[in-house]
Amino acid sequence: DTAVSQTPKYLVTQMGNDKSIKCEQNLGHDTMYWYKQDSKKFLKIMFSYNNKELIINETVPNRFSPKSPDKAHLNLHINSLELGDSAVYFCASSQEGGAGDYGYTFGSGTRLTVV
Amino acid sequence: GENVEQHPSTLSVQEGDSAVIKCTYSDSASNYFPWYKQELGKRPQLIIDIRSNVGEKKDQRIAVTLNKTAKHFSLHITETQPEDSAVYFCAASIHNNNDMRFGAGTRLTVKP
Repeated sequence: DTAVSQTPKYLVTQMGNDKSIKCEQNLGHDTMYWYKQDSKKFLKIMFSYNNKELIINETVPNRFSPKSPDKAHLNLHINSLELGDSAVYFCASSQEGGAGDYGYTFGSGTRLTVV
Repeated sequence: GENVEQHPSTLSVQEGDSAVIKCTYSDSASNYFPWYKQELGKRPQLIIDIRSNVGEKKDQRIAVTLNKTAKHFSLHITETQPEDSAVYFCAASIHNNNDMRFGAGTRLTVKP
């Protein structure tokens, strides 16, 4: 069974649309994250949630809104999509104690293309 | 906040040679340093990590070294194989802190 699963794997959409990416982990981890990987492969943290509470919110446009209905799920909703939002978005999770104890387990990524 | 720098951005070696990737970090409170390997089109996967209470760790052909005084750590891959070709990321974080910062990545190519 996949430990951290994201859907969809690919998403192609037009500028101005609103879209969501879902993430679920079955590892029992307390903390989940969203990272954005651009065309140059740079991994940049966007959000971090611990037990459904937002603990990190980097300088991300407020068009991006994460939602964590429970500690096993962290979804990402994006409003008014722009060309610059095109990237691969990775969900990740880590155990109690944070990334400093056991590192991250990443999902397989969602390749978002805005046209 | 933590800032992690990684060099080189690309590295090409001949099969069987060694490869070394270096990272520096800025926050002296960081005490956990993992390395991730990302193959083309796949997710980053943890390959080895080191904590600040040790200076070196080895796992078969890969090893990491840490110099806390200089705030730098390195990944060493010996006897490289074509399947080692991937993008490698270093990262740094503080124990019990849910904020891991990644280096910019190194694209390693191992030529057969």
